[in-house]
Amino acid sequence: RKEVEQDPGPFNVPEGATVAFNCTYSNSASQSFFWYRQDCRKEPKLLMSVYSSGNEDGRFTAQLNRASQYISLLIRDSKLSDSATYLCAVNKGNAGNMLTFGGGTRLMVKP
Amino acid sequence: DAGITQSPRYKITETGRQVTLMCHQTWSHSYMFWYRQDLGHGLRLIYYSAAADITDKGEVPDGYVVSRSKTENFPLTLESATRSQTSVYFCASIGFGQNNEQFFGPGTRLTVL
Repeated sequence: RKEVEQDPGPFNVPEGATVAFNCTYSNSASQSFFWYRQDCRKEPKLLMSVYSSGNEDGRFTAQLNRASQYISLLIRDSKLSDSATYLCAVNKGNAGNMLTFGGGTRLMVKP
Repeated sequence: DAGITQSPRYKITETGRQVTLMCHQTWSHSYMFWYRQDLGHGLRLIYYSAAADITDKGEVPDGYVVSRSKTENFPLTLESATRSQTSVYFCASIGFGQNNEQFFGPGTRLTVL
């Protein structure tokens, strides 16, 4: 089993739709969780950190489920500009500054 | 605020040649990382550095060498490039936020012929 797993997609959704991605992780000692956005041929950019209590930033909501070892990203009112690949990242527990990345989920928002 | 820069942005080289990819950050961040990104493998850690003169191997270090004589620079050298090292290379550093978020440079697209 991979340390961090994501459904590669693509998720094809119409503008205005709500879409959710999950990311599962295997290291129960992990303490830090992140969602990154990556546009084609560009660097990953931090979208948001994921806190135990959940985190909301505008149309984006991230949640953590420690019992089932997954994090989620919810995007409401999808825009064309949300089309990108979304990477989750999880720290390696006792190696706090090292991250393991999932393979990414591709989102395509259609008019 | 230049942030984190990489050079060159694109490089074509031949098998067996030595290649050095540069990474420079203006934030004085302690931790820096080198990743490669390939289809089907995602981002994989090559090497990382906790501070000047402190480096350690990541997941896929074979064929690569790093150094960190100054906090702001973290060059990655391919001692004898192979075709399997054709990839996109990203440098990253950790910010000062409480969650240790990593921030990435723009990447170097390397092709080994």
